[in-house]
Amino acid sequence: DGGITQSPKYLFRKEGQNVTLSCEQNLNHDAMYWYRQDPGQGLRLIYYSQIVNDFQKGDIAEGYSVSREKKESFPLTVTSAQKNPTAFYLCASSIDRYWTEAFFGQGTRLTVV
Amino acid sequence: AQSVAQPEDQVNVAEGNPLTVKCTYSVSGNPYLFWYVQYPNRGLQFLLKYITGDNLVKGSYGFEAEFNKSQTSFHLKKPSALVSDSALYFCAVRDRGGTASKLTFGTGTRLQVTL
Repeated sequence: DGGITQSPKYLFRKEGQNVTLSCEQNLNHDAMYWYRQDPGQGLRLIYYSQIVNDFQKGDIAEGYSVSREKKESFPLTVTSAQKNPTAFYLCASSIDRYWTEAFFGQGTRLTVV
Repeated sequence: AQSVAQPEDQVNVAEGNPLTVKCTYSVSGNPYLFWYVQYPNRGLQFLLKYITGDNLVKGSYGFEAEFNKSQTSFHLKKPSALVSDSALYFCAVRDRGGTASKLTFGTGTRLQVTL
């Protein structure tokens, strides 16, 4: 998957807890993205970052938070405010904001128990 | 707002037959168009993209896609399907004129290739 790593692969969370999903890339890509995948709904953008220390909300940012303190890392926190967090989460990075060259991680499946 | 539509939830085809997975798009300017494939519990893998130039784009694993501006379509095709092509396929669009860098995805089409 081109040097982008998501961990863990599976994550279980109790209701009311915050949880952080990791996304690391060694591709020297400027832009990073978080998407959520639900059956029949395709991929929906949560947050994205074009440069370090800067990020923007996507289409479904409520209940999520991110940080971009290093170029290589773009962790996603799913907070207790997210009403329906059970989903498959995908991180992606691209060399630029035009998706000229982009790769996806293997994904993290989050289940609320 | 930009969008893509994949009108078929599932496409069934016999191995060796040609396959087509449909995609139509809506953007305010000229589009960047992409096709990705996803195998179970995996990330997305890039197949091909259209930026400009020849309307027939060739990609990975023998796939190709035809850009049709008048019909705002970007259908994915393969002359001869393999069982191993069975997967979930996503069409995506980026508005070339926009300042935001997001890629907007369709809802996906599941391709089932049988012997």
